Amino acid sequence: GENVEQHPSTLSVQEGDSAVIKCTYSDSASNYFPWYKQELGKGPQLIIDIRSNVGEKKDQRIAVTLNKTAKHFSLHITETQPEDSAVYFCAETGGSQGNLIFGKGTKLSVKP
Amino acid sequence: NAGVTQTPKFQVLKTGQSMTLQCAQDMNHEYMSWYRQDPGMGLRLIHYSVGAGITDQGEVPNGYNVSRSTTEDFPLRLLSAAPSQTSVYFCASSFLQSGTTNTGELFFGEGSRLTVL
Repeated sequence: GENVEQHPSTLSVQEGDSAVIKCTYSDSASNYFPWYKQELGKGPQLIIDIRSNVGEKKDQRIAVTLNKTAKHFSLHITETQPEDSAVYFCAETGGSQGNLIFGKGTKLSVKP
Repeated sequence: NAGVTQTPKFQVLKTGQSMTLQCAQDMNHEYMSWYRQDPGMGLRLIHYSVGAGITDQGEVPNGYNVSRSTTEDFPLRLLSAAPSQTSVYFCASSFLQSGTTNTGELFFGEGSRLTVL
């Protein structure tokens, strides 16, 4: 079955607004939760990650929050800019041998 | 620093043909993996390796073979291509988290777009 559910699948915001993408997972043993950004024609790149002993982490305009009890984590982007337009993937270490299991992705469009 | 290099970037095959997607990394990463990306399906793990001489299956291994003879290289072989293998393939590598078999930050190649007719 699906280990990571990601919502929404598409998200359109106006420049300057905030964007939030949410993921839920099923494996209570998961302890690492990264977020990747994929620009058109490129491979995914890590933008922020969080470990299970931390509830929130920020890096300039992006932040990730983790609720281990509820088994969900979220990506928050503030003051969005057109260059934030991309596909974003959440992931968690739910696979065997600690492999990353990815959500299905969210296509974010930031309109100027 | 080249990072993860994949070749070819594009390939068209006929059903039944075989081919190898090449992947090389120059970061001395223990862990290497292959994912396929299909519309609406995200990234699905095909095969992975935690070191030279060690490989294992991921979520969707059928129809693919891998080998890891060196730390740097991790080729993916399609033995008899099928239209269902039309996809974009990504190779990724990382260090393993200290004392664990968990991956750290994954570094991805630019992808190989494969079409099987």
